[in-house]
Amino acid sequence: AQSVTQLGSHVSVSEGALVLLRCNYSSSVPPYLFWYVQYPNQGLQLLLKYTTGATLVKGINGFEAEFKKSETSFHLTKPSAHMSDAAEYFCAVSEVGGYNKLIFGAGTRLAVHP
Amino acid sequence: DTAVSQTPKYLVTQMGNDKSIKCEQNLGHDTMYWYKQDSKKFLKIMFSYNNKELIINETVPNRFSPKSPDKAHLNLHINSLELGDSAVYFCASSQGADSPLHFGNGTRLTVT
Repeated sequence: AQSVTQLGSHVSVSEGALVLLRCNYSSSVPPYLFWYVQYPNQGLQLLLKYTTGATLVKGINGFEAEFKKSETSFHLTKPSAHMSDAAEYFCAVSEVGGYNKLIFGAGTRLAVHP
Repeated sequence: DTAVSQTPKYLVTQMGNDKSIKCEQNLGHDTMYWYKQDSKKFLKIMFSYNNKELIINETVPNRFSPKSPDKAHLNLHINSLELGDSAVYFCASSQGADSPLHFGNGTRLTVT
């Protein structure tokens, strides 16, 4: 069965600092991997996805993530945090060839302080 | 605007009542979903329909019944509401197995 582990339910960074949100997955078949962001009282918005090809994936708002099969990881990074990045971030996995059933991690709340 | 829209945004009701949440997408997607987000923000899939056909049905009580009159609509009916049903319910849609999900803004259900 697939699963997703997000290390750190809360991450706090200073404005301008590096953002690193960790995600490890478990899957018996090649996965599709996603990062979503949720702002307060809103739905989830796709940041980026990995399906096939290049393992370094660039997304919106300056975020990127690298798929590392050997480490079963898909960590999300941004070189310089902005106050507007404060939100809940979810990593998700789905099976290649499946019905696009997303399994989500528990989420990481990112706080950005001045 | 192209979007996934849910109604109502907030729903407060008493235990034992029956309620429905409606979802519509105008993105032309074939697949629609219902997810439940609990008080700890954990998201779990409940149902998925592809072209009006049920394709994913997780371990959800029979009190929850999805209905898809056409591929642009997926409604969720809940019978005999319980306190534990309080959560935010998200509708989503996608096109294809590797395409991302587009989420609605959620319906916050509070059962008292």
